[in-house]
Amino acid sequence: GAGVSQSPSNKVTEKGKDVELRCDPISGHTALYWYRQSLGQGLEFLIYFQGNSAPDKSGLPSDRFSAERTGGSVSTLTIQRTQQEDSAVYLCASSLDAYTEAFFGQGTRLTVV
Amino acid sequence: QKEVEQDPGPLSVPEGAIVSLNCTYSNSAFQYFMWYRQYSRKGPELLMYTYSSGNKEDGRFTAQVDKSSKYISLFIRDSQPSDSATYLCAMRDTGGFKTIFGAGTRLFVKA
Repeated sequence: GAGVSQSPSNKVTEKGKDVELRCDPISGHTALYWYRQSLGQGLEFLIYFQGNSAPDKSGLPSDRFSAERTGGSVSTLTIQRTQQEDSAVYLCASSLDAYTEAFFGQGTRLTVV
Repeated sequence: QKEVEQDPGPLSVPEGAIVSLNCTYSNSAFQYFMWYRQYSRKGPELLMYTYSSGNKEDGRFTAQVDKSSKYISLFIRDSQPSDSATYLCAMRDTGGFKTIFGAGTRLFVKA
């Protein structure tokens, strides 16, 4: 595709439910990042994928968060047993490699009620 | 203390004004410095990307990095209402992929 695509754009879920957020990176980009942006806060790094290497999960806030990247392309961020503090915009970005410009998707706005 | 500090604003200026946006940081290992612009309900887009100290100019935008003071700036000349957005500074070290972002400064340019 022309850019990074994220779906859904908005998600409202009940506390305790699981959610899956999807990211389609730019074709050919080997690096993929997930960030979380809370109101009035900067982007908080969550997880990084580079090619076939093991992902860097050092930013995941708890074991309720997990992510996978299938076939080096599409990525899914899963949040289990959602809590109200998980409400935020989840942004995905991809880049040609770890050292070049990262392009962001429009984000998924998650609201936990 | 956060690794990157950025005043969240909001900053309101009249059209045509020169805007100065700033960030300070604590990690002396940071070598790559970036400014992103984020419109409401959109993802951030890269505006400027600089390595180490010095200035970089692109049209109405100038990025400055002063590593000795751990201070970076973005100047916008002849500001336009279309420049109204949140501006995020970001930085990372050599060999690292993890980019650390500031909280972002909300800018309003009044016509």
